[in-house]
Amino acid sequence: EAQVTQNPRYLITVTGKKLTVTCSQNMNHEYMSWYRQDPGLGLRQIYYSMNVEVTDKGDVPEGYKVSRKEKRNFPLILESPSPNQTSLYFCASSLKGGPAAGADTQYFGPGTRLTVL
Amino acid sequence: AQSVTQLDSHVSVSEGTPVLLRCNYSSSYSPSLFWYVQHPNKGLQLLLKYTSAATLVKGINGFEAEFKKSETSFHLTKPSAHMSDAAEYFCVVKGFQKLVFGTGTRLLVSP
Repeated sequence: EAQVTQNPRYLITVTGKKLTVTCSQNMNHEYMSWYRQDPGLGLRQIYYSMNVEVTDKGDVPEGYKVSRKEKRNFPLILESPSPNQTSLYFCASSLKGGPAAGADTQYFGPGTRLTVL
Repeated sequence: AQSVTQLDSHVSVSEGTPVLLRCNYSSSYSPSLFWYVQHPNKGLQLLLKYTSAATLVKGINGFEAEFKKSETSFHLTKPSAHMSDAAEYFCVVKGFQKLVFGTGTRLLVSP
């Protein structure tokens, strides 16, 4: 089944304790992206990757890191989480990114609900 | 820059009555527009997308949307609401290297 998976689905942690949220897709998609969802704000892009070893900042990258060593995986790293990073996080992927993508559908993972105390 | 505005944060309907969720867009070029739905504690599911092939777009679960360039609108409609339609709906425009989301409209369906 074609899908985007994220782990963990739920995480409660404390300020300053490094964590990683994994994202994996099995559709051989080149483009992957991370979003955070906050009430009243919709989804905002954190980072994106056009392909392996190619990553760039989105609208709200502060406090986050990513890497794209393999095509299928795109982990989100919080080196020193803070309470303002409490949010619902979504990973997404599509076949292509940028102008070449046209109206390619972005497929979303199930989300990771993170609470930072 | 691309943007979308969802005109209602909440919409309440009775089961069996029509649904209208309003969205206006801003784009410096011919846009790609989408509607996504998020059921409680679930991920995002694509309802439909506009790609300039046809102005009336049909999606899943009986939803459709009409692209109106003169009004810069992309409203989502359904003739008859079901209880299972209760969810949050996002109007989305494709920006540079990302999707740009509206703030969402929560659809409430009463029996």
